[in-house]
Amino acid sequence: GDSVTQMEGPVTLSEEAFLTINCTYTATGYPSLFWYVQYPGEGLQLLLKATKADDKGSNKGFEATYRKETTSFHLEKGSVQVSDSAVYFCALSRWDSNYQLIWGAGTKLIIKP
Amino acid sequence: NAGVTQTPKFQVLKTGQSMTLQCAQDMNHNSMYWYRQDPGMGLRLIYYSASEGTTDKGEVPNGYNVSRLNKREFSLRLESAAPSQTSVYFCASSRTENTEAFFGQGTRLTVV
Repeated sequence: GDSVTQMEGPVTLSEEAFLTINCTYTATGYPSLFWYVQYPGEGLQLLLKATKADDKGSNKGFEATYRKETTSFHLEKGSVQVSDSAVYFCALSRWDSNYQLIWGAGTKLIIKP
Repeated sequence: NAGVTQTPKFQVLKTGQSMTLQCAQDMNHNSMYWYRQDPGMGLRLIYYSASEGTTDKGEVPNGYNVSRLNKREFSLRLESAAPSQTSVYFCASSRTENTEAFFGQGTRLTVV
């Protein structure tokens, strides 16, 4: 079945460091891909998405490119801030599974000043 | 600007007790979802409702029931709580099944 694999956390970085959180997926067909972020004590909110191969999603300085050849959707940010500390979830959805979201386990990001 | 509202935020139950988690959205969304979040396992779909009047099982429906009371409200019921149901529960909604999902703040449930 469909699945999403994320790098295990926590990931600890210093402020202004470069961030990469890896996400790979297994799915037949052409899923849509998402990154959600969960700040402490809050629900999840959509960070960015891409709906077809080679699309780049971007928001708040974060970017991710839908790479079909490597079945990946890695999250990147050039210079992280303390306020980026959160848990990041990669997810996919497919039209032929009623668009149900399949979630990665989440990656906790800790940014130290 | 409420979005998705869940109640309660915290709950402690004894094994065998029952309770209902309430969820309401004010965005006129058609689809609503209940997830549980456990450490290291991401989110798992319990039940969803693609539109008013319909509900379907997700990945982990056992031990739960749902009611789509109207377009705004989607409740989750635990008839006889078990320690394995200790988790954080999230309600979410989306305009349709293939659009962005909006989440509530979660209910932290502990079953002792």
